[in-house]
Amino acid sequence: RKEVEQDPGPFNVPEGATVAFNCTYSNSASQSFFWYRQDCRKEPKLLMSVYSSGNEDGRFTAQLNRASQYISLLIRDSKLSDSATYLCVVIPLEGSGYSTLTFGKGTMLLVSP
Amino acid sequence: NAGVMQNPRHLVRRRGQEARLRCSPMKGHSHVYWYRQLPEEGLKFMVYLQKENIIDESGMPKERFSAEFPKEGPSILRIQQVVRGDSAAYFCASSPRANSPLHFGNGTRLTVT
Repeated sequence: RKEVEQDPGPFNVPEGATVAFNCTYSNSASQSFFWYRQDCRKEPKLLMSVYSSGNEDGRFTAQLNRASQYISLLIRDSKLSDSATYLCVVIPLEGSGYSTLTFGKGTMLLVSP
Repeated sequence: NAGVMQNPRHLVRRRGQEARLRCSPMKGHSHVYWYRQLPEEGLKFMVYLQKENIIDESGMPKERFSAEFPKEGPSILRIQQVVRGDSAAYFCASSPRANSPLHFGNGTRLTVT
């Protein structure tokens, strides 16, 4: 099983739609989780951290399920500018034997008018 | 406060030549990471360095690739005797502490002809 897995998509949604992505991870010793956004041919940018209790930032909600080892990102009221690839990032505990931050391959979102 | 600076933005090399990619981390960041991204692929971890030390190079090919982060100056990713398969975007990222979110540079796009 790959360390971090994401549905590659693309997810095609109309403006205003709600869309959710999941990301599963294999290392139960994983410590921290983040969502990044990458626009075509540009560098990844930190979107938000993921906390155990779940957290919200405007139209974006992130959740963590440690028992099932997945994190999710929910985007409400999609905008055209949300079109991008969304990467989940898992940080292992130090000394767990895993290399540093592991990025998923990303889920592509296309929001259309 | 300048972000992570990478140069050059684009680099063209003929097969067999050497490529040197530079990365200056954000001010106050002593942890540097190099990632490679092939077209239509996810980010692949290469190497993690702290000042003058390689912490984890498990993602870097043993031959032709080397990285350093000297006490003074930028981090350098060096690829000797480049081949066409080395063509990719190389992203550098930095963080203030181990296992904290990364801030990425704009990347260097290497093309081997």
